[in-house]
Amino acid sequence: GAGVSQSPSNKVTEKGKDVELRCDPISGHTALYWYRQSLGQGLEFLIYFQGNSAPDKSGLPSDRFSAERTGGSVSTLTIQRTQQEDSAVYLCASSFGPSSYTFGSGTRLTVV
Amino acid sequence: AQSVSQHNHHVILSEAASLELGCNYSYGGTVNLFWYVQYPGQHLQLLLKYFSGDPLVKGIKGFEAEFIKSKFSFNLRKPSVQWSDTAEYFCAVNTARKSSGDKLTFGTGTRLAVRP
Repeated sequence: GAGVSQSPSNKVTEKGKDVELRCDPISGHTALYWYRQSLGQGLEFLIYFQGNSAPDKSGLPSDRFSAERTGGSVSTLTIQRTQQEDSAVYLCASSFGPSSYTFGSGTRLTVV
Repeated sequence: AQSVSQHNHHVILSEAASLELGCNYSYGGTVNLFWYVQYPGQHLQLLLKYFSGDPLVKGIKGFEAEFIKSKFSFNLRKPSVQWSDTAEYFCAVNTARKSSGDKLTFGTGTRLAVRP
């Protein structure tokens, strides 16, 4: 597609439930990133996929967070047993180099 | 690990005032530097970037930034702001190491409000 597509755009979930957030990167972009944007915290790196290499999971805040990228394209970020502190905007970006970095519009997650 | 500091969290200016937003990073090696902008209700957009060469880079909408290696700084400037510049501005660093890919480390952002 023309841009990075994320779904859903908004998600309200009850504490303790699992959620899945989806990212469709730009076709041809080999790298895919997940970031979290919390109020007053800026953007926090979560995980990075590059081609067929093992993902860089160094930013995942706990083992409740996981992500996969199927077929080198679509990625799903899963948060298990959601907590209120997980409420944030989850941003996906894709690139094939630093000058082509493109962000999606994000998924706003609210845990109630 | 690298980090990015943006010292101004909230800035309020009147139209036509000059703008300078501070950004400092901590990393001793080669870096790529970025400024992103997020207008209300919109996604992050690239304002400008520095990879190498002339340390004074010009971006979209009249913004510019200067890389000062000795100060580990990459401050954003605009001579005369407009109401439409109201947004949140993020400085970001990429360490240009192959192992980190294009992973960006962001500052906490600066909210700019421009009064008409």
